[in-house]
Amino acid sequence: DTAVSQTPKYLVTQMGNDKSIKCEQNLGHDTMYWYKQDSKKFLKIMFSYNNKELIINETVPNRFSPKSPDKAHLNLHINSLELGDSAVYFCASSQEGDRGYEQYFGPGTRLTVT
Amino acid sequence: AQTVTQSQPEMSVQEAETVTLSCTYDTSESNYYLFWYKQPPSRQMILVIRQEAYKQQNATENRFSVNFQKAAKSFSLKISDSQLGDTAMYFCAFMPRGGKLIFGQGTELSVKP
Repeated sequence: DTAVSQTPKYLVTQMGNDKSIKCEQNLGHDTMYWYKQDSKKFLKIMFSYNNKELIINETVPNRFSPKSPDKAHLNLHINSLELGDSAVYFCASSQEGDRGYEQYFGPGTRLTVT
Repeated sequence: AQTVTQSQPEMSVQEAETVTLSCTYDTSESNYYLFWYKQPPSRQMILVIRQEAYKQQNATENRFSVNFQKAAKSFSLKISDSQLGDTAMYFCAFMPRGGKLIFGQGTELSVKP
């Protein structure tokens, strides 16, 4: 069973379009995250939700809107896509406990905007 | 601001040899966690090893071990008996308790046969 899954794995779209990436975790974790990995492989957090509530919101354009319908799901919707949005987007989850916030990552979604 | 620095963009090692990847971080926090993540060409992020700042003993996981120097804010990763499957990008990461995970720039490791 996949612990953290994302769909789709690849997404190619044109500038100006709106797209969504879905994430689900079956680990029973309370906290979920979205990260962006740019073309230089640099990873940076975008958002974090704990029990469906937004707790981290980095400086991300308003075109990006996360939605958490329940604590097992965290989706990322992107409006009016731009060339600079091309990147790999990772979902992750964690649970406070004796392993200290270890984060489990999904397989990533490679978004290409043309 | 909290930062993580990996000063070696690329490294290579012969199969079966030992290699050490460097990482330094900057923080005023006293309670935090440190991680090494591996990203092979498949792009999956895989946790290699973790260290709690309050623990003096260096963490080990099979062929992977760390040298944690809290005063120097240094957290290096040693890979012993390198294998071809160790070829990957390695990220050092820092997280204050209750805070966010901050990654270094990554070190691309090539293991040569």
